[in-house]
Amino acid sequence: QVQLQESGPGLVKPSQTLSLTCTVSGGSISSGDYYWSWIRQPPGKGLEWIGYIYYSGSTYYNPSLKSRVTISVDTSKNQFSLKLSSVTAADTAVYYCAREVVVVAATRAFDIWGQGTMVTVSS
Amino acid sequence: DIQMTQSPSSLSASVGDRVTITCRASQSISSYLNWYQQKPGKAPKLLIYAASSLQSGVPSRFSGSGSGTDFTLTISSLQPEDFATYYCQQSYSTGVVTFGPGTKVDIK
Repeated sequence: QVQLQESGPGLVKPSQTLSLTCTVSGGSISSGDYYWSWIRQPPGKGLEWIGYIYYSGSTYYNPSLKSRVTISVDTSKNQFSLKLSSVTAADTAVYYCAREVVVVAATRAFDIWGQGTMVTVSS
Repeated sequence: DIQMTQSPSSLSASVGDRVTITCRASQSISSYLNWYQQKPGKAPKLLIYAASSLQSGVPSRFSGSGSGTDFTLTISSLQPEDFATYYCQQSYSTGVVTFGPGTKVDIK
């Protein structure tokens, strides 16, 4: 079955760039049936969608983060990545990668999630 | 942007209780509404999609209803493993996804 695994530094200094990678196993990231997303959750708070990438490279970002976010895909490695620039303490969160699928009649849902990785922004 | 609200923000219930959680959208989202369950330290898990369709492998005690702006998640008989936080999520907007703030269900 398809599994997602996040990787990257757990500590990032303020004003620097947060970089995470999600490795997809058990299936191909190049399948046209899915969108590949990043979602974050600050400690004790709710979920915030960051953005998605399609295997072709097309992207869509949360307008509130758009100026700082870049999501890219490497189909040869079956991975997609997140870069978030100019981070502050407010970007401290558990970061999840997730697969978004069209489940029925254009309804999309996140059916598979990585386990999440905690990223702390601190000097 | 479409805003999502949930009520209550938390509730206490006993095993065997019928539990109902409400989610409201700031504008009509048809049936583009999903529900997730999240346990401490774990990733969210998809329970219900398209407002009322049960995700494969999810127990039938979970059900969803609603359309437009008002939606409900019901647990017909609360089990010990159901104590968790529940989130609604809209996928009506092209591209942009938003989640509700969550409802925490704990033991009375």
